[in-house]
Amino acid sequence: DAGVTQSPTHLIKTRGQQVTLRCSPKSGHDTVSWYQQALGQGPQFIFQYYEEEERQRGNFPDRFSGHQFPNYSSELNVNALLLGDSALYLCASSLISGGETQYFGPGTRLLVL
Amino acid sequence: AQSVTQLDSQVPVFEEAPVELRCNYSSSVSVYLFWYVQYPNQGLQLLLKYLSGSTLVKGINGFEAEFNKSQTSFHLRKPSVHISDTAEYFCAVSEWGLTGANNLFFGTGTRLTVIP
Repeated sequence: DAGVTQSPTHLIKTRGQQVTLRCSPKSGHDTVSWYQQALGQGPQFIFQYYEEEERQRGNFPDRFSGHQFPNYSSELNVNALLLGDSALYLCASSLISGGETQYFGPGTRLLVL
Repeated sequence: AQSVTQLDSQVPVFEEAPVELRCNYSSSVSVYLFWYVQYPNQGLQLLLKYLSGSTLVKGINGFEAEFNKSQTSFHLRKPSVHISDTAEYFCAVSEWGLTGANNLFFGTGTRLTVIP
């Protein structure tokens, strides 16, 4: 079992650009959640996808959008990048039921210059 | 709204000594509680979780935590730490109920440093 995988591992962009991050969930999982972890902070919930729809969203602007594919993999898109978007972006997969463990990938570290 | 407070940002402790990492939460509904560990340049790994039942929960690597509903706390303990326990530890909650939501709210983390 490969676990949760994310690509790329690192990314450097400039302000105003757009970025797409990718996530493949753990085998058997149907739900993907995305989190942003700024340096020295705890992860913050961005949104969650289930059955190819955004199920819940945290306090992030519309510049952050996502998608879930029929094979349960997911993408996170960020438009009009700001310096403050520099962070570690974590993907977590789980089953949809409450209390189910979320398994995290290694993350994508994004640096915006 | 939910919130999680980790009272200590850094905890230094000597090898083989006991340690307690503190976590308090607030929520208007019942919650599930989690502790995750993050090693440098890695994602998060689940140590343990409380869903219901016994308030003392045992996890991996010799860690345990106790849920105290009256004090809204979920402190993490280990009787004897090792050098390999040096990492960042995060307490997290998710609400349960009719919404079916299960996203996690994290604390700001506690950096545990084990001193040889």
